[in-house]
Amino acid sequence: DAGVTQTPRHEVAEKGQTIILKCEPVSGHNDLFWYRQTKIQGLELLSYFRSKSLMEDGGAFKDRFKAEMLNSSFSTLKIQPTEPKDSAVYLCASSHNAEQFFGPGTRLTVL
Amino acid sequence: GEQVEQLPSILRVQEGSSASINCSYEDSASNYFPWYKQEPGENPKLIIDIRSNMERKQIQELIVLLDKKAKRFSLHITDTQPGDSAMYFCAASVWGTGYQNFYFGKGTSLTVIP
Repeated sequence: DAGVTQTPRHEVAEKGQTIILKCEPVSGHNDLFWYRQTKIQGLELLSYFRSKSLMEDGGAFKDRFKAEMLNSSFSTLKIQPTEPKDSAVYLCASSHNAEQFFGPGTRLTVL
Repeated sequence: GEQVEQLPSILRVQEGSSASINCSYEDSASNYFPWYKQEPGENPKLIIDIRSNMERKQIQELIVLLDKKAKRFSLHITDTQPGDSAMYFCAASVWGTGYQNFYFGKGTSLTVIP
């Protein structure tokens, strides 16, 4: 049974670029989460979908971060425009019956 | 929103001894408490969890205790091994209401000294 998959695993962007991160949740999981992880802030919620509906858009991240879930098996996170402070690991997770499982993450570096 | 405090942030123990990590939460509606282990360069992995209808759960060397009255839960790793060295995160969640969010602690860096 495949776990959560994320692509790309690494991304390097110039300041001001648009980048799109991709995630495929575990089949059958209704909840999908996007997090940003840094050493200083830890895990920060960016977006939360339940059955493809956006439930939480992460407040402070609204202006340049946009997550979409066009179908139950695929989600994207767009960052536009990127800034150096966006350098972090972006984790996608899906959950079922309360248990949440993380993907391998995308390490983003913004120059 | 919910705040989860996790202590200590750094923990060093001798191989074979026990390690304990403590978390506290604010929302009395929280009813699901997972623990994650994250090794360098890897994603967080669910290692054990406890729901609010239990006070204690054990999986091999891992023991989780939940005190709902005090709003505290803890992870105890018995007979630690070097392979237990990693970051550990606790989380609190309200589940079963049609909406689930996870509030994470800041993490504990555990080093097991051989």
